[in-house]
Amino acid sequence: EAQVTQNPRYLITVTGKKLTVTCSQNMNHEYMSWYRQDPGLGLRQIYYSMNVEVTDKGDVPEGYKVSRKEKRNFPLILESPSPNQTSLYFCASSPSDGLPNQPQHFGDGTRLSIL
Amino acid sequence: DQQVKQNSPSLSVQEGRISILNCDYTNSMFDYFLWYKKYPAEGPTFLISISSIKDKNEDGRFTVFLNKSAKHLSLHIVPSQPGDSAVYFCAASADTGGFKTIFGAGTRLFVKA
Repeated sequence: EAQVTQNPRYLITVTGKKLTVTCSQNMNHEYMSWYRQDPGLGLRQIYYSMNVEVTDKGDVPEGYKVSRKEKRNFPLILESPSPNQTSLYFCASSPSDGLPNQPQHFGDGTRLSIL
Repeated sequence: DQQVKQNSPSLSVQEGRISILNCDYTNSMFDYFLWYKKYPAEGPTFLISISSIKDKNEDGRFTVFLNKSAKHLSLHIVPSQPGDSAVYFCAASADTGGFKTIFGAGTRLFVKA
């Protein structure tokens, strides 16, 4: 089954404690992206990657890092989480052909609470 | 400043009637628009899209209309079904350096049986 898998689905942690949210896709997609969803703001793009070792900032990259060492994986790293990063996070992927007009496949989300 | 706006946070419609969800955008460089549907505890799923060279695209019960001069698009669902109850996101993209997709805040649709 084609899917984007995020882990963990839920996490409660404390300010300053480094965390990583993993994202893996099994569709051999070149393009991967991270979004955060906040009430009244919709989905805002954090980082995206066009392919292995190619990453770029989205609209809200501050406080986040990403890496793309393998095609299937695109982890999101919060080096020193703060309460304003409490949010619902989605990872997405798509083929690169036809970008940016390709529909994206989304994971089921990771709800992070930073206390 | 939000470049893609969905001004109605929620919409309630009777089963069998038409649902119309609206979306406005400010950036004339957007050349492709997509609608995604999201159920609770799941990620968004792609529903329908339209290129800026068209003014209408239809897929079964779902039709998207684009009015470029007004920078406005709408999603029509006819007939509405209880299973259509979800949050609908409008999204826009532009093929101008960088491959970003800008999403609206979403509209929650309630379809009453």
